Amino acid sequence: GQSLEQPSEVTAVEGAIVQINCTYQTSGFYGLSWYQQHDGGAPTFLSYNGLDGLEETGRFSSFLSRSDSYGYLLLQELQMKDSASYFCAVRLNQAGTALIFGKGTTLSVSS
Amino acid sequence: NAGVTQTPKFQVLKTGQSMTLQCAQDMNHEYMSWYRQDPGMGLRLIHYSVGAGITDQGEVPNGYNVSRSTTEDFPLRLLSAAPSQTSVYFCASRRGFGYTFGSGTRLTVV
Repeated sequence: GQSLEQPSEVTAVEGAIVQINCTYQTSGFYGLSWYQQHDGGAPTFLSYNGLDGLEETGRFSSFLSRSDSYGYLLLQELQMKDSASYFCAVRLNQAGTALIFGKGTTLSVSS
Repeated sequence: NAGVTQTPKFQVLKTGQSMTLQCAQDMNHEYMSWYRQDPGMGLRLIHYSVGAGITDQGEVPNGYNVSRSTTEDFPLRLLSAAPSQTSVYFCASRRGFGYTFGSGTRLTVV
């Protein structure tokens, strides 16, 4: 079967740095994505890693190690608006027609 | 640019009723898909389409039908609603690596 494991909850304070980990065991792997979802609204795309290494987009960075079947999302200079659920997702095939999601990590940022 | 539009936003159905969830995108994306999200379960793929006239099943297709007659529209049909189909349904389209999601349809089957 397919499995993606990520922590269910993470808490942090404004201005801090937080890392959300994702480990996966899947039948195929063509890349790892991260999505943000506020209060059950539309998930929004944050980042994609197809190759090993770090991708940086503003305050957010994402890392992938294919040999360890592991990735993480790093959020820096946390703001209250970063309180949301974060999902990792594995692209199972080259066509990108099969994307499976983890169960999500709820991030709570306090002042 | 509206992105992905889903209607209705909320719906209550009785067991056994049928209905269609609408999804439209104005980004000319070939790939579209339907997901359901249940508490603590993440998003699970129901059906997807790689272009007009082409559809395929995802992880949890039972009880749902789809069709794709145009690039813009990808409706999801519930044939005979069951309480197990109570969920939030998201439509998404894709070009490149990132998916664009609609705001969801919250469906309750009683």
